Amino acid sequence: DVVMTQSPLSLPVTLGQPASISCTSSQSLVHRDGNTYLSWFQQRPGQSPRRLIYRVSNRDSGVPDRFSGSGSGTDFSLTISRVEAEDVGVYYCFQGTHWPALAFGGGTKVEIK
Amino acid sequence: QVQLVQSGGALVKPGESLRLSCAISGFTFSGSFMSWIRQTPGKGLEWISYISESGDKIWYADSVKGRFTISRDNGKNSLYLQMNSLRAEDTAMYYCARPRFSSIDYWGQGTLVTVSS
Repeated sequence: DVVMTQSPLSLPVTLGQPASISCTSSQSLVHRDGNTYLSWFQQRPGQSPRRLIYRVSNRDSGVPDRFSGSGSGTDFSLTISRVEAEDVGVYYCFQGTHWPALAFGGGTKVEIK
Repeated sequence: QVQLVQSGGALVKPGESLRLSCAISGFTFSGSFMSWIRQTPGKGLEWISYISESGDKIWYADSVKGRFTISRDNGKNSLYLQMNSLRAEDTAMYYCARPRFSSIDYWGQGTLVTVSS
């Protein structure tokens, strides 16, 4: 099964400063159809996860443009260009390429310094 | 407006059973794969089961295989998870969710299952 590894575990950030989260997969996430099925989810305290990014770099409707995703193969990142207070929460990467055992990363907790 | 409304979570003893439900509205349930995902402080988010639109394709993670059964009623727009022989390590928040185009676009609000004597 594919293992998703995120770093750092915890990310204290100053308001208005950038933040970046890394996600590495144990196998390439390039599907035989040519797409790379790597998504990012945000989970605010007390809420269900909410998708921010799908297929590496596509933002969901309503997601602020300060969130961006990048990467290829086995290495991916989520960047918040200028962190706001509402961005506090835990962020997860997710691989949807290798069925049936889809997998999440362990999560990165973003908090304000 | 899409809604996935979950119910059924409870405090149960080891070895007991529980049935979780997820009532869906706002999208074509009968045309959607559905899944169950659980979240524990120790293991994070774990994809544990999915079921195809008609129910002919079902998968379970090894951690729940043989004890949990996923099912659906397309006439009632509802998804279920029958959980038998529950263990302490099954203690988690359980989410129903819709996998779509190899991602997950909708989540339920979660229901807490606690297994403790």
